[in-house]
Amino acid sequence: GEDVEQSLFLSVREGDSSVINCTYTDSSSTYLYWYKQEPGAGLQLLTYIFSNMDMKQDQRLTVLLNKKDKHLSLRIADTQTGDSAIYFCALSSNTGKLIFGQGTTLQVKP
Amino acid sequence: DGGITQSPKYLFRKEGQNVTLSCEQNLNHDAMYWYRQDPGQGLRLIYYSQIVNDFQKGDIAEGYSVSREKKESFPLTVTSAQKNPTAFYLCASTGTSGRGEQFFGPGTRLTVL
Repeated sequence: GEDVEQSLFLSVREGDSSVINCTYTDSSSTYLYWYKQEPGAGLQLLTYIFSNMDMKQDQRLTVLLNKKDKHLSLRIADTQTGDSAIYFCALSSNTGKLIFGQGTTLQVKP
Repeated sequence: DGGITQSPKYLFRKEGQNVTLSCEQNLNHDAMYWYRQDPGQGLRLIYYSQIVNDFQKGDIAEGYSVSREKKESFPLTVTSAQKNPTAFYLCASTGTSGRGEQFFGPGTRLTVL
């Protein structure tokens, strides 16, 4: 089945850029998503990218998709302490279910 | 104000007791999902329902049961057969945009005493 991998932890300084990476095995997903989870809360959809796009920018967020390498990334510009959270990548499947990575904990140091 | 609600936020249960977690949505979404989240792990799918009166097992359905009698409601029962039920439970539903994104409730933290 589909496998989605993320590194578990990333630490950055406030004001720096953060890049969170995700690799996957099955390239049939039509949409790929990034979710944010703050402590004790549900997941919040941050952004998504259609599989025929290479890049999508939304304010401080930039999503890059490299289909050849099966690699998805989320760049957060000018990272703030409020960006500290767990970030999940997820891929759509033909069953309607989403396949989630394990999540990357982003720590932002002041 | 549309959204997904889960109640209660915190739930304590004694070993051997069944407990039901509530999930309600007023978004008119057809598909609904239940996930379990353990510390340091991602989301694991318990059950999902794509339409009223129909549901399917996910990856870790053992010890859980669900019902889908109404479009708005998808309650999850954690039975005494679930050996390690302490976890954070998340309910989600799929939007109608055609993009397949899921929208999540705030979660219920279940602790077995």
